Amino acid sequence: DQQVKQNSPSLSVQEGRISILNCDYTNSMFDYFLWYKKYPAEGPTFLISISSIKDKNEDGRFTVFLNKSAKHLSLHIVPSQPGDSAVYFCAASGMGGSEKLVFGKGTKLTVNP
Amino acid sequence: NAGVTQTPKFQVLKTGQSMTLQCAQDMNHEYMSWYRQDPGMGLRLIHYSVGAGITDQGEVPNGYNVSRSTTEDFPLRLLSAAPSQTSVYFCASRPGTRYSGELFFGEGSRLTVL
Repeated sequence: DQQVKQNSPSLSVQEGRISILNCDYTNSMFDYFLWYKKYPAEGPTFLISISSIKDKNEDGRFTVFLNKSAKHLSLHIVPSQPGDSAVYFCAASGMGGSEKLVFGKGTKLTVNP
Repeated sequence: NAGVTQTPKFQVLKTGQSMTLQCAQDMNHEYMSWYRQDPGMGLRLIHYSVGAGITDQGEVPNGYNVSRSTTEDFPLRLLSAAPSQTSVYFCASRPGTRYSGELFFGEGSRLTVL
């Protein structure tokens, strides 16, 4: 059973507009959430994270929002740039102190010039 | 500034062959792990280690062995390769054993089993 779900396999936006990537989770024991970006033929790179004690974390153009009651988080990219075109993975951890990081299937973002 | 280094980057095996994917990190990280990425499946944890001499299973450990004799190295062994093990493999590390930050990933090793 998939514990971290990214239901949109792909998303296309225009340069300068907002990109919103969504992620849902089922395990209420998760207490730390991360977003990774992956370009083709490269390893994933960390983008931004949020602890369950917060509902928002911002880093430049990237903001992650966490809604614990809905078990939902989202990544906002404003303004979107063509270089943001990549696959974005949502990940979660914290199951009773487990060392395991659980990833979603990813959303491919395309930012059109 | 090497970070996490994986070798080889590409490998083709025949069914039943064995091989080892190498992973080395130069950041003195305690935690290391192996993931595989398959189309439409995201990243799935194979095995992980919280320090030298300590390993544990992840979500998809069958068909793979690991060992951690040094802090720097965490090789992944395929005992008898199967076509289902065709995938891209990523090694990752982070400092400390208690989860508190992001994983640093290698560039990946693409394995094809015929």
